[in-house]
Amino acid sequence: TQLLEQSPQFLSIQEGENLTVYCNSSSVFSSLQWYRQEPGEGPVLLVTVVTGGEVKKLKRLTFQFGDARKDSSLHITAAQPGDTGLYLCAGDIYGGATNKLIFGTGTLLAVQP
Amino acid sequence: EAGVVQSPRYKIIEKKQPVAFWCNPISGHNTLYWYRQNLGQGPELLIRYENEEAVDDSQLPKDRFSAERLKGVDSTLKIQPAELGDSAVYLCASSLDRYTQETQYFGPGTRLLVL
Repeated sequence: TQLLEQSPQFLSIQEGENLTVYCNSSSVFSSLQWYRQEPGEGPVLLVTVVTGGEVKKLKRLTFQFGDARKDSSLHITAAQPGDTGLYLCAGDIYGGATNKLIFGTGTLLAVQP
Repeated sequence: EAGVVQSPRYKIIEKKQPVAFWCNPISGHNTLYWYRQNLGQGPELLIRYENEEAVDDSQLPKDRFSAERLKGVDSTLKIQPAELGDSAVYLCASSLDRYTQETQYFGPGTRLLVL
């Protein structure tokens, strides 16, 4: 099983702080997705990145795909309590007609008001 | 539009008992996935269906787990007999089709506790 390592595993910060979550692998991915999962719910897709070096922004969230398509980062600016949740990266190593995702180990974020 | 529906939301059973989970995907979605998520970790794929055909069940522990999607719509995942290590959240997801980058929509999951 391919392994996607996320760091940090846990993060507790104050409202208004910035943070970065990392997702690393030794494998090359055809695409990589970021999800947020709230307690008692399933993961919800935030973004999909496809091209090496690609940067996508979603309000205060900035996602970057590594040039070699082996790693990614998620940066949150001025975090808010509503950002609290489990952040998961998920990579598709096969591409084509499979849509088989390998999920990362997760980063649990708590934003204190 | 209704999302992915799963039931029950919670299940507590004793070890060696059977248990079943049900999933109704988003209408029109041909691809259905069952995942298992251990506490504080990412989901792991158990089985993927294209319509009624199981096209990837390599991660399904076939000695005790079984799944079906008889009419290519809703699906059932069964464990018999359950073991303590099966305690986890079982997530169902669906996507319009099987191609890469197609968004997978997840249900809320069934939380299983085996005592």
